[in-house]
Amino acid sequence: IAGITQAPTSQILAAGRRMTLRCTQDMRHNAMYWYRQDLGLGLRLIHYSNTAGTTGKGEVPDGYSVSRANTDDFPLTLASAVPSQTSVYFCASSEGLAGPGTGELFFGEGSRLTVL
Amino acid sequence: AQRVTQPEKLLSVFKGAPVELKCNYSYSGSPELFWYVQYSRQRLQLLLRHISRESIKGFTADLNKGETSFHLKKPFAQEEDSAMYYCALSRDSSASKIIFGSGTRLSIRP
Repeated sequence: IAGITQAPTSQILAAGRRMTLRCTQDMRHNAMYWYRQDLGLGLRLIHYSNTAGTTGKGEVPDGYSVSRANTDDFPLTLASAVPSQTSVYFCASSEGLAGPGTGELFFGEGSRLTVL
Repeated sequence: AQRVTQPEKLLSVFKGAPVELKCNYSYSGSPELFWYVQYSRQRLQLLLRHISRESIKGFTADLNKGETSFHLKKPFAQEEDSAMYYCALSRDSSASKIIFGSGTRLSIRP
């Protein structure tokens, strides 16, 4: 069972380039999320999607965009990468939208992005 | 504003010693609290949540609303407990509003 699959696992790109990080889940979860992990700052939510066709902004959405055309896929796009976007990016999913016990997140293995 | 604070970036204890990873939160509503763990070369995963009131791998955490804390404890540390630990808060029982602390790296010395 794959769960959450992210690609690429690692990427170096020049500033100003466009980059899309891919995320696919096979658990039929309603909600999906993108976090970035930075030393000393922990995990910060970039964008989320409660269900296919809808998206929302997290804590640090600037410079990023997402789409949720179907249940399984939730790509994250950097339109014009900047060095401050160097980070490890984690995609996650969860079953439900609300109610006790629905808050468990299932994470991918992460995508390490370096912007030079 | 909602916030999760983990004051220790690094905690190093000897094997067999008690462990306490601190977590404090600020939130005006009724939060749901979690601890997530990331072992070396593994995915971030849920360790425990306060509503379950369970012990996982010997770890427990009690929600103290008076002190707004959710500290993670284990009476006797084991080497395999070495990992990165994140405290997280879910606002209004909605998974889309989960906030993480900055994390504490736990290192268990033999």
